[in-house]
Amino acid sequence: EPEVTQTPSHQVTQMGQEVILRCVPISNHLYFYWYRQILGQKVEFLVSFYNNEISEKSEIFDDQFSVERPDGSNFTLKIRSTKLEDSAMYFCASSDGLFAHEQYFGPGTRLTVT
Amino acid sequence: AQTVTQSQPEMSVQEAETVTLSCTYDTSENNYYLFWYKQPPSRQMILVIRQEAYKQQNATENRFSVNFQKAAKSFSLKISDSQLGDTAMYFCASTEYNFNKFYFGSGTKLNVKP
Repeated sequence: EPEVTQTPSHQVTQMGQEVILRCVPISNHLYFYWYRQILGQKVEFLVSFYNNEISEKSEIFDDQFSVERPDGSNFTLKIRSTKLEDSAMYFCASSDGLFAHEQYFGPGTRLTVT
Repeated sequence: AQTVTQSQPEMSVQEAETVTLSCTYDTSENNYYLFWYKQPPSRQMILVIRQEAYKQQNATENRFSVNFQKAAKSFSLKISDSQLGDTAMYFCASTEYNFNKFYFGSGTKLNVKP
């Protein structure tokens, strides 16, 4: 069964650095999402992406964040000038847009900012 | 905006018994969808069951069923004949009709004991 994959599984970076989290959605999916989960807290929506543009973004998704689909397969989340509070698990998800937009999640990337 | 609340951080159940996980939500929308996702240890979230708000009939998927009380804004998950493989984190989630944004609860950690 096709799966969403994410790389790396764990990323350690220093405060102020830029990181790019990568996701490969399921190949025929058209809708893409990023979520994050700070340890012990809820899974929070960051952004949704469709037809090469952002559909919706949360208050968390400020100018520090950007998303891109650089080719036909990857979907990336860039975090500029990372802060300690960006440390979290970041989940990518994709959907084919069919019934109720069932989302398929990747295993997550654990980002640790030191 | 929607909010989703799961009041049980952790639950345990004996194998073969039945357990109910609670979820309440708040929304001003009339048309929305509700979901239960399962996240086994160190694995990605997968969809367990979903419910359209406009349907009165409770959704059922094999051993999993929901008790959807629209007026009370309650959406509980019942797992019958619990199996060891049901051990996981369970997240309740909701989305509005345009599916651009999903809202998650904080999760309930379910431990099925042999």
